[in-house]
Amino acid sequence: DAKTTQPNSMESNEEEPVHLPCNHSTISGTDYIHWYRQLPSQGPEYVIHGLTSNVNNRMASLAIAEDRKSSTLILHRATLRDAAVYYCILRDVDLGNDYKLSFGAGTTVTVRA
Amino acid sequence: EAQVTQNPRYLITVTGKKLTVTCSQNMNHEYMSWYRQDPGLGLRQIYYSMNVEVTDKGDVPEGYKVSRKEKRNFPLILESPSPNQTSLYFCASSLVTGGRGTEAFFGQGTRLTVV
Repeated sequence: DAKTTQPNSMESNEEEPVHLPCNHSTISGTDYIHWYRQLPSQGPEYVIHGLTSNVNNRMASLAIAEDRKSSTLILHRATLRDAAVYYCILRDVDLGNDYKLSFGAGTTVTVRA
Repeated sequence: EAQVTQNPRYLITVTGKKLTVTCSQNMNHEYMSWYRQDPGLGLRQIYYSMNVEVTDKGDVPEGYKVSRKEKRNFPLILESPSPNQTSLYFCASSLVTGGRGTEAFFGQGTRLTVV
């Protein structure tokens, strides 16, 4: 699987935006960039995904660099409920197990009230 | 409501006593899988199933079995649990027909302790 690199932790204040970077310099042309998050004591939860263009949904925005070697998950107004571990994952379709998610260590986001 | 349901949520058992953790999804998803989560090791896939009667090993399958007799259910079986299988387990499902961009849905987790 193509590897991603994320900072171990980030802190934010409530109501402020959070920008979570992810580096994936070895990304292939067919890799989708997925983001999941895991709230304390819960299972991982899908946040957003994209291939080349920036994407928005009700939870977040995903900004993808033009060369696709990095991306940024943007939480527009952090709330206490957004405190979680955020995982940046590349879906590699060439390995047979196309729907496996390879989780790294992720970024632990702390939101201060 | 779309969901993946695991049972039980918590389980303490003794070494060697066979157990089954159930997983059921109500979204008609073809793909289902089991992960275990351990401190410092993250989430690792145990087994997966592309559809009914089609299962295959993930990254850490030793000591586990699965079956997929119906599309909605994917139980995880520990024939002879050992203490090194103490972990937090998650079941997940997703569409195959949705392609590579499809999202996965996870259950709430089963915390297993083997003593």
